Amino acid sequence: QKEVEQNSGPLSVPEGAIASLNCTYSDRGSQSFFWYRQYSGKSPELIMFIYSNGDKEDGRFTAQLNKASQYVSLLIRDSQPSDSATYLCAVNTGSGGFKTIFGAGTRLFVKA
Amino acid sequence: DTAVSQTPKYLVTQMGNDKSIKCEQNLGHDTMYWYKQDSKKFLKIMFSYNNKELIINETVPNRFSPKSPDKAHLNLHINSLELGDSAVYFCASSQGRRSNQPQHFGDGTRLSIL
Repeated sequence: QKEVEQNSGPLSVPEGAIASLNCTYSDRGSQSFFWYRQYSGKSPELIMFIYSNGDKEDGRFTAQLNKASQYVSLLIRDSQPSDSATYLCAVNTGSGGFKTIFGAGTRLFVKA
Repeated sequence: DTAVSQTPKYLVTQMGNDKSIKCEQNLGHDTMYWYKQDSKKFLKIMFSYNNKELIINETVPNRFSPKSPDKAHLNLHINSLELGDSAVYFCASSQGRRSNQPQHFGDGTRLSIL
């Protein structure tokens, strides 16, 4: 089992719709969870981070965490063509929490 | 002002050569990282330093040697380059010793081995 799993996609949604990106992780002791966006040929940039169970909202983005199910998701409301990118789920893990493991990413296409 | 800067942006070289990549951050962060992103876009941790101390050393060939002269700099030297080393190498930094804080990435160094 991979440590951080994401559906590679591509996920295609029409402009204005809600995009839902999912991620599961294997280390039950993980405490910190991150979503990064990476445009083609660019570096990852932080979108959201979440530490506690529940929802965390920032503008059009909502991160959801369920530690019991070892599941974290990212919702993008009112999706825009500029949201088209690869979204990387990252989980802080390992003994002492020194390591961040990235998922393989989900490619999102928002159709105008 | 660039927060995390890497040089060079592009590196094209032949098999067997030795090359170095440099990274500097001006965010005042304590921890710096090297990641490798292969052709399948999978981002994998290689090394992590906290205040010049090596804290993560993943299963990376010993041809790769990181060096941190101070907490704002982390360099990567690669000996005897192989075809499989072709990838994008990202430097990143974060606050604190653990990686439980968001990381800031440099623009990446695209390494191509001929």
